[in-house]
Amino acid sequence: NAGVTQTPKFQVLKTGQSMTLQCAQDMNHEYMSWYRQDPGMGLRLIHYSVGAGITDQGEVPNGYNVSRSTTEDFPLRLLSAAPSQTSVYFCASNLQRSSFEAFFGQGTRLTVV
Amino acid sequence: SQQGEEDPQALSIQEGENATMNCSYKTSINNLQWYRQNSGRGLVHLILIRSNEREKHSGRLRVTLDTSKKSSSLLITASRAADTASYFCATDTTDSWGKLQFGAGTQVVVTP
Repeated sequence: NAGVTQTPKFQVLKTGQSMTLQCAQDMNHEYMSWYRQDPGMGLRLIHYSVGAGITDQGEVPNGYNVSRSTTEDFPLRLLSAAPSQTSVYFCASNLQRSSFEAFFGQGTRLTVV
Repeated sequence: SQQGEEDPQALSIQEGENATMNCSYKTSINNLQWYRQNSGRGLVHLILIRSNEREKHSGRLRVTLDTSKKSSSLLITASRAADTASYFCATDTTDSWGKLQFGAGTQVVVTP
């Protein structure tokens, strides 16, 4: 079982560039989320999805888009990268509605210069 | 704003000692969870305690929850060097189920 797979592991972008962070899970989880982790601030929720075709905003959604066309995949798009988006990004999936144990990917370290 | 706040921010202990860290939160919760993060890795779920539970055990882990004080504690007994990691509490609330809110974490260093 691969669990939650994120690609790439590292990325450097120039300000204004766009890119997509990929996330895939093979556990047939309904719920998937994207978080960013900044020093001293823990994880903050960017967007989440409760199933294919359904997404919603989290705490810090500005500058990011998501879509969920399949149960397995939940890509995060940066529309026009800014230095403030330099962070470590984590994708997570949840087992089921009544249990919120989240399974995390290994993270993508993004630097915007 | 963050729902959970861990205390202390950092903890340094020797192998064999117990490590205790606390989490306080602001609004009523459905569940509170603890996660571990090793350096450069993703978070790993440790234990979940529901709002109607007061204490839960899992191996060397003991979690307590006091909803009247809006606080939880995580105790790791007989610490090992492999327990060196950051520990985060996460909550989901009655009006935002499934949307986990994390605290800033406690960095624990266990020296041999």
